[in-house]
Amino acid sequence: GAVVSQHPSWVICKSGTSVKIECRSLDFQATTMFWYRQFPKQSLMLMATSNEGSKATYEQGVEKDKFLINHASLTLSTLTVTSAHPEDSSFYICSFSTRGEGYGYTFGSGTRLTVV
Amino acid sequence: AQSVTQLDSQVPVFEEAPVELRCNYSSSVSVYLFWYVQYPNQGLQLLLKYLSGSTLVKGINGFEAEFNKSQTSFHLRKPSVHISDTAEYFCAVSGGGATNKLIFGTGTLLAVQP
Repeated sequence: GAVVSQHPSWVICKSGTSVKIECRSLDFQATTMFWYRQFPKQSLMLMATSNEGSKATYEQGVEKDKFLINHASLTLSTLTVTSAHPEDSSFYICSFSTRGEGYGYTFGSGTRLTVV
Repeated sequence: AQSVTQLDSQVPVFEEAPVELRCNYSSSVSVYLFWYVQYPNQGLQLLLKYLSGSTLVKGINGFEAEFNKSQTSFHLRKPSVHISDTAEYFCAVSGGGATNKLIFGTGTLLAVQP
């Protein structure tokens, strides 16, 4: 089945620095990827939809200049949290969708970001 | 636009008892429905999905769900739960298509007690 590799699994950074999270589809070319964030004991909130070769589409209330998404190839999408602050501490999860009979969504294992 | 409602934030149940986790959705178009399980500090694992066809969907780990269009529901059931089923369960809806967003409910914590 489709496999998504997400790195790092956890990261601690100082306030004001930037952090990059990578998401790779290992056995499928993903034309569309999704980025979610999840606060403790809450649901997954969609941040943006990442389309290969074009600009990401951000959900209302998500700062595009703070959460930079790059989807330059069919197998790699990155999320960069710029000038991170403690309130950005969260669990970030990527996902991509598959078409056809196996239609569905495959998720990365998530990245726990802690900003100190 | 689609939305999902999971009315129960937490469902306590004794081991080997049956359980039902409720999910209701709203959509102006045909929907695809999913149930995922999340263990602490981990990603999501697909339990089952409804795309079309039979309204009774069987998934992994003995779970099943029934799509009810008239009641706009997709409740998850298991006839006998185990301690290892303790986790957060999310119902999600998509309008279909590769670029369609997957929207999640607020989740239900299934707490299985011995």
